[in-house]
Amino acid sequence: SQQGEEDPQALSIQEGENATMNCSYKTSINNLQWYRQNSGRGLVHLILIRSNEREKHSGRLRVTLDTSKKSSSLLITASRAADTASYFCAPLGVSGNTPLVFGKGTRLSVIA
Amino acid sequence: DSGVTQTPKHLITATGQRVTLRCSPRSGDLSVYWYQQSLDQGLQFLIQYYNGEERAKGNILERFSAQQFPDLHSELNLSSLELGDSALYFCASSVAWAGDTQYFGPGTRLTVL
Repeated sequence: SQQGEEDPQALSIQEGENATMNCSYKTSINNLQWYRQNSGRGLVHLILIRSNEREKHSGRLRVTLDTSKKSSSLLITASRAADTASYFCAPLGVSGNTPLVFGKGTRLSVIA
Repeated sequence: DSGVTQTPKHLITATGQRVTLRCSPRSGDLSVYWYQQSLDQGLQFLIQYYNGEERAKGNILERFSAQQFPDLHSELNLSSLELGDSALYFCASSVAWAGDTQYFGPGTRLTVL
């Protein structure tokens, strides 16, 4: 298993601004997933990007993947107060059948 | 609603006791995962079951055990509870393997007094 490391640990922005958070990992991956967790609730899957993809969009979310740098970024455009949550990345190793290991996440606060 | 259910929602018990947490996966999902989330440790993977068999083990203490039943629901047993076991316990399920999207339940908040 490998763990992604999210950066920054915490981010505070105004409503309407864009939020960018980054994820770094150590070894080659099969895919990388991003999840969101509202306080005290279960994680919710946001997006999955495969190792042969460079960019993926889902609504206001844009995920990029740079396998040469072993990093990914999650961009939330035109943020809303409801985006306030912790965001986790979960890289999946090449073997494809090892458990996802979550890091400590990025805590995003969107201020109205 | 993820389709994953967990009971109970809250559990308050004393040190030394034993509790059982229950999880029902989404319909059709064969894999079940258990996680522990505490403030200082973050989200820790405990164990994965696939179609009744243990598939992967993480940072699960010997005092903890789990199983997945023929109807695919799973139970996590925590015994000889300590104050430090107080945490949110999440169950997640996926279709088959770890690379699939995982769907998380609402969690069980365990408080050990």
